Amino acid sequence: QKEVEQDPGPLSVPEGAIVSLNCTYSNSAFQYFMWYRQYSRKGPELLMYTYSSGNKEDGRFTAQVDKSSKYISLFIRDSQPSDSATYLCAMSGGGGNKLTFGTGTQLKVEL
Amino acid sequence: DAGVTQSPTHLIKTRGQQVTLRCSPKSGHDTVSWYQQALGQGPQFIFQYYEEEERQRGNFPDRFSGHQFPNYSSELNVNALLLGDSALYLCASSSGTGNIQYFGAGTRLSVL
Repeated sequence: QKEVEQDPGPLSVPEGAIVSLNCTYSNSAFQYFMWYRQYSRKGPELLMYTYSSGNKEDGRFTAQVDKSSKYISLFIRDSQPSDSATYLCAMSGGGGNKLTFGTGTQLKVEL
Repeated sequence: DAGVTQSPTHLIKTRGQQVTLRCSPKSGHDTVSWYQQALGQGPQFIFQYYEEEERQRGNFPDRFSGHQFPNYSSELNVNALLLGDSALYLCASSSGTGNIQYFGAGTRLSVL
């Protein structure tokens, strides 16, 4: 079993929809939770990060962490075609600071 | 403010050859991490350098080695290339404990 599980999609939604992306994890030592956006053949771009549990909002993006359920989410409101990309969740903590990634969810926002 | 820069952007090598990839961290960052991303997968941690020493290493063979210079830039070396080494190699920089990492655009390595 992988430490971080993420549905690879693809996920296709109409423009303006609310998108929900999720990851589950097994390592209770994880303390930092990140979401990256990766366009095709590019490097991952840091969207948001959260330390421990709770919510964080930045514009159209909201990140949620539920450590009791080992479950994290990223919500995208009013999705745009430019949001079409692969979204990677990543986590670190527990004495080391390497990032452990999910496989990524491919999102397509259609006009 | 320059972000993380990597060179070259693309490399083609043959099996058995050796390759060196380079990375300059974001201004103000002193920690460099390297990741390998196969097609359709999330990045996998190779190793991390801080104060010119390898601080942490992932599950990669000794064919993968690295170096960090006094100016915090870093190199990744891969010896005896295998077909399976074909991937996007990503460099990430951070400061201090290194949990919040920023990535470069990557070097795409093709091994024929």
